[in-house]
Amino acid sequence: DAGITQSPRHKVTETGTPVTLRCHQTENHRYMYWYRQDPGHGLRLIHYSYGVKDTDKGEVSDGYSVSRSKTEDFLLTLESATSSQTSVYFCAISESRAGTGGSYEQYFGPGTRLTVT
Amino acid sequence: TQLLEQSPQFLSIQEGENLTVYCNSSSVFSSLQWYRQEPGEGPVLLVTVVTGGEVKKLKRLTFQFGDARKDSSLHITAAQPGDTGLYLCAPCGDNQGGKLIFGQGTELSVKP
Repeated sequence: DAGITQSPRHKVTETGTPVTLRCHQTENHRYMYWYRQDPGHGLRLIHYSYGVKDTDKGEVSDGYSVSRSKTEDFLLTLESATSSQTSVYFCAISESRAGTGGSYEQYFGPGTRLTVT
Repeated sequence: TQLLEQSPQFLSIQEGENLTVYCNSSSVFSSLQWYRQEPGEGPVLLVTVVTGGEVKKLKRLTFQFGDARKDSSLHITAAQPGDTGLYLCAPCGDNQGGKLIFGQGTELSVKP
């Protein structure tokens, strides 16, 4: 299994508070991603990183920010949590690999279940 | 915007039955990945298909990439309760910069 951990694994917070989720990898992969997973919506990309200090928005980035100051850590911050951000958040890592048609096979962390009350 | 559809959305079968799930798109892709996600865990990569018409087998699972590289199928032979989970397809196109678009998945339940 790829070395990916997420912390915390569960969190309950109140509306309006800032929340930071951490993703840590030991694989030295270049790419890191944050997704949220909700019933009926599948996995949706929030932000991703293609290198240290290099990040870009995904399809549902409003209300979220990210930072990557070193290869192994990718932080997701909810600036002011809302109930609509209650979800399961997954971090993933990838590296382009020869023989895969330019695909970026992703390895996922165990997830963080966030509840905003 | 590329459209990605997985079908069926839900599937409940008895142990020993065969099944096929589909991943269809309006776009052409350079490759496609299949993942399985068990309850309470993150998705796990099963296979990547790269060439149009390619068939890959993983034990009782057979994956096929369409000739036109716009669709894919996953066939499971003699399903077992351990196959229960959410099956996700994720096509990868050129110039996506490492990003994947995931289908909504097929939720499979195999009853003993």
